[in-house]
Amino acid sequence: GDSVTQMEGPVTLSEEAFLTINCTYTATGYPSLFWYVQYPGEGLQLLLKATKADDKGSNKGFEATYRKETTSFHLEKGSVQVSDSAVYFCALSRSARQLTFGSGTQLTVLP
Amino acid sequence: DAGVIQSPRHEVTEMGQEVTLRCKLISGHNSLFWYRQTMMRGLELLIYFNNNVPIDDSGMPEDRFSAKMPNASFSTLKIQPSEPRDSAVYFCASSLTQPFEAFFGQGTRLTVV
Repeated sequence: GDSVTQMEGPVTLSEEAFLTINCTYTATGYPSLFWYVQYPGEGLQLLLKATKADDKGSNKGFEATYRKETTSFHLEKGSVQVSDSAVYFCALSRSARQLTFGSGTQLTVLP
Repeated sequence: DAGVIQSPRHEVTEMGQEVTLRCKLISGHNSLFWYRQTMMRGLELLIYFNNNVPIDDSGMPEDRFSAKMPNASFSTLKIQPSEPRDSAVYFCASSLTQPFEAFFGQGTRLTVV
């Protein structure tokens, strides 16, 4: 079945550091890929998405590129801020039926 | 649009009681998902509706759980009787079929004591 594997957390960075959160997936066909962010006490918010190979999703300084050859969708940001502290979830969807989520990565950014 | 609206935000109930969680979809969306989030299991899909019809309920833990969509904009998730192991945050999410982007509510934190 479909699965998403995320980098183990928690991740702690200083403000303005470079962020990478690794995500790999297993799925047949050509899934759509997503990054969601969850701030404390809130629901998940869509951060970015990519629907086909080599697509790059971007939003709020975050980027991720759909790499079919390595089945990866790593999240990156060049300079993190304290306000980026949250839990980040990688997810995939085939046929728009449901989302399969990774386990989440807790990010803490220190001032 | 106000987004996906869930109620209540917090629910504390005693074991054996019936609990009903509510969800209002984003207007025009035709897919509805109920998820459960716990520290141990992460995010689990409980049930998925499309055009008010349950398509996949394989994630519903047992017969104590039931979900309905009485109309295109509203859904309920009922637990009867509730047990302490049901304590979790329950999210609903809605989407169009295409483009598929699931929008989540803020969740209901359920505590069964």
